[in-house]
Amino acid sequence: TQLLEQSPQFLSIQEGENLTVYCNSSSVFSSLQWYRQEPGEGPVLLVTVVTGGEVKKLKRLTFQFGDARKDSSLHITAAQPGDTGLYLCAVLGANAGGTSYGKLTFGQGTILTVHP
Amino acid sequence: DAGVTQSPTHLIKTRGQQVTLRCSPKSGHDTVSWYQQALGQGPQFIFQYYEEEERQRGNFPDRFSGHQFPNYSSELNVNALLLGDSALYLCASSPGTGASYEQYFGPGTRLTVT
Repeated sequence: TQLLEQSPQFLSIQEGENLTVYCNSSSVFSSLQWYRQEPGEGPVLLVTVVTGGEVKKLKRLTFQFGDARKDSSLHITAAQPGDTGLYLCAVLGANAGGTSYGKLTFGQGTILTVHP
Repeated sequence: DAGVTQSPTHLIKTRGQQVTLRCSPKSGHDTVSWYQQALGQGPQFIFQYYEEEERQRGNFPDRFSGHQFPNYSSELNVNALLLGDSALYLCASSPGTGASYEQYFGPGTRLTVT
């Protein structure tokens, strides 16, 4: 069972459409991150959300952390071909002693394709 | 200021062989983490190095080993390669020891095992 379940797995839309990607879990997290990865590149951090109910905006991207800090969503308004890529949510894990050393656990990702 | 660099970019190996991948962290970063990313999947944590020691390890067999050098660069070694080891191997660096520090990823090494 995945710690983080992302949906949908694939999304193919036309330029100008809106979309929402979801990241769900049964666990509570102190923070959650969203990354975008383009072909041939490593993931790039888009945002970190830390407070339940928090909403952050990055141009046409809106990120929300669930009130219970178990889930998050990414909404893109008026998608553009440049938004095409793999969108990943991730949380920081902890070792056996309870200290988090920056181990990231990722969801399986949502592959977004925006057609001109 | 160079970001995280990895070499080689692509690599083709045969089953049973051994491979070494290399990573240079972003300037000012002393912590290096390695991830394996299968096609169409999210990255999976392999291990993390800090002060030349493995500090944390994911669910990977002992065939996966690593090393960190005094200049903070790192190597990932995989022995007795299996077809299932074919993946994109990502290196990420971060400064200090705090868990909240942002990790910066390199472009990855694409390993193909035939």
